[in-house]
Amino acid sequence: EAGVTQSPTHLIKTRGQQVTLRCSPISGHTSVYWYQQALGLGLQFLLWYDEGEERNRGNFPPRFSGRQFPNYSSELNVNALELEDSALYLCASSRFWYEQYFGPGTRLTVT
Amino acid sequence: GNSVTQMEGPVTLSEEAFLTINCTYTATGYPSLFWYVQYPGEGLQLLLKATKADDKGSNKGFEATYRKETTSFHLEKGSVQVSDSAVYFCALSLTSGGSYIPTFGRGTSLIVHP
Repeated sequence: EAGVTQSPTHLIKTRGQQVTLRCSPISGHTSVYWYQQALGLGLQFLLWYDEGEERNRGNFPPRFSGRQFPNYSSELNVNALELEDSALYLCASSRFWYEQYFGPGTRLTVT
Repeated sequence: GNSVTQMEGPVTLSEEAFLTINCTYTATGYPSLFWYVQYPGEGLQLLLKATKADDKGSNKGFEATYRKETTSFHLEKGSVQVSDSAVYFCALSLTSGGSYIPTFGRGTSLIVHP
């Protein structure tokens, strides 16, 4: 069974630019979660999508947004990038809310 | 708000030593508790979970018991191996009105020497 995949693996952007990260869940999983893992801060919950709808979002500004497509894949968009957005962005999928499977992440560097 | 506090790392042990990584939590309501492991260059993997008080989660020789009275979920392993070197995350999740609310600790790095 293929795991959660994310693209791209690494990304370098400059401040003020916009970025789109992509995630493909495990087949059969309808929920996708996005997390930010900044150095020294652990994982911060960003967004939860289920069946194409946003179900919950963490304490992040509106410039962090996303969507889930009919095939359950998902995009995370970050507008007006700031230096502190530099982090590893992790996507996870699940069939049940209590058991998530994580992808390897996208490393975003903002200069 | 909800929070998870883990012991700071790195934890450095020799092979076959006993491991304890402390985790305590605060939560409004009755959370489920989890330990995740992140091996170098990989995403997080669910290691074990417990969904109610006094439950013991176990996997790959690791175990943790949900202690409601002390709001703790300490991770233990009787004999660690070099291959256990990784970052371990304690986490809790709650559901509120059908909405999933996850909270992770900052992670504890474990280094096991031969």
